[in-house]
Amino acid sequence: KQEVTQIPAALSVPEGENLVLNCSFTDSAIYNLQWFRQDPGKGLTSLLLIQSSQREQTSGRLNASLDKSSGRSTLYIAASQPGDSATYLCAVKEWNNNDMRFGAGTRLTVKP
Amino acid sequence: EPEVTQTPSHQVTQMGQEVILRCVPISNHLYFYWYRQILGQKVEFLVSFYNNEISEKSEIFDDQFSVERPDGSNFTLKIRSTKLEDSAMYFCASSQGVALEPQHFGDGTRLSIL
Repeated sequence: KQEVTQIPAALSVPEGENLVLNCSFTDSAIYNLQWFRQDPGKGLTSLLLIQSSQREQTSGRLNASLDKSSGRSTLYIAASQPGDSATYLCAVKEWNNNDMRFGAGTRLTVKP
Repeated sequence: EPEVTQTPSHQVTQMGQEVILRCVPISNHLYFYWYRQILGQKVEFLVSFYNNEISEKSEIFDDQFSVERPDGSNFTLKIRSTKLEDSAMYFCASSQGVALEPQHFGDGTRLSIL
């Protein structure tokens, strides 16, 4: 059964720092991996989607990488801002089913 | 930008009652999903729906649950005979395709069972 783990569970950084969030998964037979942002009491906002054949995706200050063979993905946030404070979730979709398996998230706080 | 909308934002129900959670997916999307998130826990997949039928469901989605697309715009989740442990945030999502396109989520319905 696919297990998705995110480390660290919480992270606090000063504004302007570059940071990396980690996501690992136990079964490398994935179709894609998606990174989301969740603000308190809100839904999930899709940030980046990486297909299994891709190595990375970029959107603005965000860069997500995927190493399927080692079961890892990272989300790099450049020049962090207080508005980046949120919980970041990764989720994997496997080849043989339609659901997504989520990690528990990393709660990011960017201090001004 | 088109959004997935969910109503109500908060539903309080007595244990044993039935609830219907409503979602309006993005209009040109073909795949619809329900997830739940119990407070402090991971987001969990419940069910996916395509072409007017369930395409996949998790072990959580037992006979207590049902989904329906009653018209061209709404997608509903019905929970019969609610239990205390059904208290959670329920998220609806939709996507154009099943793998190449991202899933877009609504803001969720917070369900509180008393």
